[in-house]
Amino acid sequence: EVQLVESGGGLVQPGGSLSLSCVVSGFTFSNFWMHWVRQAPGKAPVWISDISPDESTTGYVASVRGRFTISRDNAKNTLYLHMNNLRADDTAVYYCVRDESRSLDYWGQGALVTVSS
Amino acid sequence: DVVMTQSPLSLPVTLGQPASISCRSGQSLVHTDGNTYFSWFQQRPGQSPRRLIYKVSNRDSGVPDRFSGSGSGTDFTLEISRVEAEDVGVYYCMQGTHWPRTFGQGTKLEIK
Repeated sequence: EVQLVESGGGLVQPGGSLSLSCVVSGFTFSNFWMHWVRQAPGKAPVWISDISPDESTTGYVASVRGRFTISRDNAKNTLYLHMNNLRADDTAVYYCVRDESRSLDYWGQGALVTVSS
Repeated sequence: DVVMTQSPLSLPVTLGQPASISCRSGQSLVHTDGNTYFSWFQQRPGQSPRRLIYKVSNRDSGVPDRFSGSGSGTDFTLEISRVEAEDVGVYYCMQGTHWPRTFGQGTKLEIK
């Protein structure tokens, strides 16, 4: 069974940093592109970042580029998102998602990040 | 970025009746490889999104056959042949042809 389990969410002050992790199981992690997608309360999901299987290629939406860093450890079956200089509009549930056929087939349960003073 | 526009945004449906959701993209979703990378997702209250349909019309494993997807180019449709209570939630379309991936704004399906 495919599983993606995020951790690391929480409350952080504006300007602060936070790191999310996503441990996966049930598939060969090193074969798949992976993504982070976030969803603010009551809003549609928004794709924010992706990473190639060998970590050679990464991409970011403009609003997080330069502040967020995606990475992975294929030996640990783990995807990461390091977030710096957080702002109030970064408040959202962050999902770790697997790529399949240029779509997003398996989603984690999400990690809530709240940026507030 | 490719804008995805869904309609309607709210969809009250009587149990057992059909439902239809439309999604229009700002540009063609036909990839240079010939595929059309368009998907539909369902998000039940309090849950993560779940993929229903990929590449326009392919149903994911475990998705009831009352769900079907169709369309081409810039216009796509999700149809539910007979709505059941478990179908309540928000439905999103998403394109994967162009970078970055973009989602529609969502259609909230509720039971009348």
